[in-house]
Amino acid sequence: QVHLVESGGGVVQPGRSLRLSCGASGFIFRNYGMHWVRQAPGEGLEWVAAIYYDGSNEYFADSVTGRFTISRDNSQNTLYLQMNSLRAEDTAVYYCARDWGGGNSGYIDYWGQGILVTVSS
Amino acid sequence: DIQVTQSPSSLSASVGDRVTITCRASQGISRWLAWYQQKPGKAPRSLMYATSTLESGVPSRFSGSGFGTDFTLTITNLQPEDFATYYCQQYNSYPQTFGQGTKLEIK
Repeated sequence: QVHLVESGGGVVQPGRSLRLSCGASGFIFRNYGMHWVRQAPGEGLEWVAAIYYDGSNEYFADSVTGRFTISRDNSQNTLYLQMNSLRAEDTAVYYCARDWGGGNSGYIDYWGQGILVTVSS
Repeated sequence: DIQVTQSPSSLSASVGDRVTITCRASQGISRWLAWYQQKPGKAPRSLMYATSTLESGVPSRFSGSGFGTDFTLTITNLQPEDFATYYCQQYNSYPQTFGQGTKLEIK
């Protein structure tokens, strides 16, 4: 079955960087678009970024544009989120998620368990 | 960006009840609306896409309807495992956007 496992979270100071990873298994990773979605403590879901199945296109929420990058290594079945210039408002649980299709249809059919990123001095 | 507004924000119901959650988009999104269920401390679970198509394994007591700007999620014969927070999401236009959530609690 589809399995998505995030890693790389933790506590980081404002202005610093952090890279999240997501290991995928149980499906043909290179065929699917992928997303990052986050959820601040006690808040709702916020879509963050998406990448096409082949990495040819990337999409970002306005709140992270210019600070976050998304990438993937299809040979390693791994998705990444590089987060730079982190702010307190980036504190959230970050979910790795699979798009229904190969691009950015926007519909998410599988979710990882999430990983907490805390931005604090 | 398309805004998505859910109502109510919270709802109390009993086992066996029928409940309806509404989602309204700020502009027409055709039928490109999804519903997700989230339990405390857990990842969201995808329930339904394209307004009314259930994901595999989702019980038939869940149903969806609507088109354009107004959509509903209906749960009949509520079961204890259905008490959770529900989010709608439009994916007609980039960026995809979520509603603020509806917390369904046991009365």
